[in-house]
Amino acid sequence: GAGVSQTPSNKVTEKGKYVELRCDPISGHTALYWYRQSLGQGPEFLIYFQGTGAADDSGLPNDRFFAVRPEGSVSTLKIQRTERGDSAVYLCASSPTGSETQYFGPGTRLLVL
Amino acid sequence: GENVEQHPSTLSVQEGDSAVIKCTYSDSASNYFPWYKQELGKGPQLIIDIRSNVGEKKDQRIAVTLNKTAKHFSLHITETQPEDSAVYFCAASRDSNYQLIWGAGTKLIIKP
Repeated sequence: GAGVSQTPSNKVTEKGKYVELRCDPISGHTALYWYRQSLGQGPEFLIYFQGTGAADDSGLPNDRFFAVRPEGSVSTLKIQRTERGDSAVYLCASSPTGSETQYFGPGTRLLVL
Repeated sequence: GENVEQHPSTLSVQEGDSAVIKCTYSDSASNYFPWYKQELGKGPQLIIDIRSNVGEKKDQRIAVTLNKTAKHFSLHITETQPEDSAVYFCAASRDSNYQLIWGAGTKLIIKP
């Protein structure tokens, strides 16, 4: 079946602009995660959704970052007033109910100029 | 909070030899330990995982061992092949939030 998909695959923006990154989880998966991966490092947790609600958003670095999952499926990560330090690969993962196994998408490579 | 350390950062082995990557964790409440393989330009792919009630798990050429007392776990790849070349990450999580805490990664190079 289809895996986790993320769009766009690449995004180049200018400092100060607003960006939205989209994640389509595996169909039926109730849990959805966002991570950020800088070059040469392991992914860093941002936020975890169980259904429509954010169960844990402790990894969001500041209030410029926000994520939604209004219907419990597709999720959008929103970054306001982007900064050069936001440049990274943003990864999305999903899990079925009751499972800790996370399946990752290919990521969105964000470059802030 | 949890901290996961991974060694070595780079590992070069001859094709056909074995490779071992080691991780340590700090949070004794962590109970789930997956290993992911990441190829250039792609997302991480789960290759094997282990829960804290199990000491060892094997899947063909790949095995993971866990020592809860010492808080370390290792990935073992036998009979390495060129397609095993990638970056490997260990991670740890606990049941309360499933948040994965990751090691820094090991770049595995298989020499022909």
